[in-house]
Amino acid sequence: GAGVSQSPSNKVTEKGKDVELRCDPISGHTALYWYRQSLGQGLEFLIYFQGNSAPDKSGLPSDRFSAERTGGSVSTLTIQRTQQEDSAVYLCASSLARQGRSSPLHFGNGTRLTVT
Amino acid sequence: AQKVTQAQTEISVVEKEDVTLDCVYETRDTTYYLFWYKQPPSGELVFLIRRNSFDEQNEISGRYSWNFQKSTSSFNFTITASQVVDSAVYFCALGGAAGNKLTFGGGTRVLVKP
Repeated sequence: GAGVSQSPSNKVTEKGKDVELRCDPISGHTALYWYRQSLGQGLEFLIYFQGNSAPDKSGLPSDRFSAERTGGSVSTLTIQRTQQEDSAVYLCASSLARQGRSSPLHFGNGTRLTVT
Repeated sequence: AQKVTQAQTEISVVEKEDVTLDCVYETRDTTYYLFWYKQPPSGELVFLIRRNSFDEQNEISGRYSWNFQKSTSSFNFTITASQVVDSAVYFCALGGAAGNKLTFGGGTRVLVKP
């Protein structure tokens, strides 16, 4: 079946502009995650959606970042008034996470965001 | 809070050598899960293994093996007889029983030279 799909694969934007990044999780996966990976760095957690529960936003670096997940499926990560330090690869993942166990995350190929 | 430390930032070996990647974790959960992921130069993250905190049995899968030691909070990964295709960044990650987000280590870059 199809894996996690992210679009666009690359995005170049000017400082101060808003951007939207899209994630289509694997069908049937109840959990969806956004991570950020800066050049040569590890994965930084941003936000996590699980079913109908309130999202865990504890990793969002500032109020310029927000995300939503519509209908329990597609998610959009929005960055407002982008800054150069926002340049990174934004990775989306989904899983069958259920209360009581951690399931493997299946990652998309990411969106490479460059803020000029 | 959960924490994962991969002390080795980069390891360079010659093909056919064995390489061991260290992973040390911190958690207050009594039930937790440990993972390894591979990120080749193409960029996609590939799931390799998941272990739960109650299963300390070592595991072998082909040239890969994992050594989980709860007493030292470590979950080390060994690649035996390394190949050029093993060149990648390897991430260790920790998840709790709540089934929520994974905490990743900083990654270890493995370079296998022919």
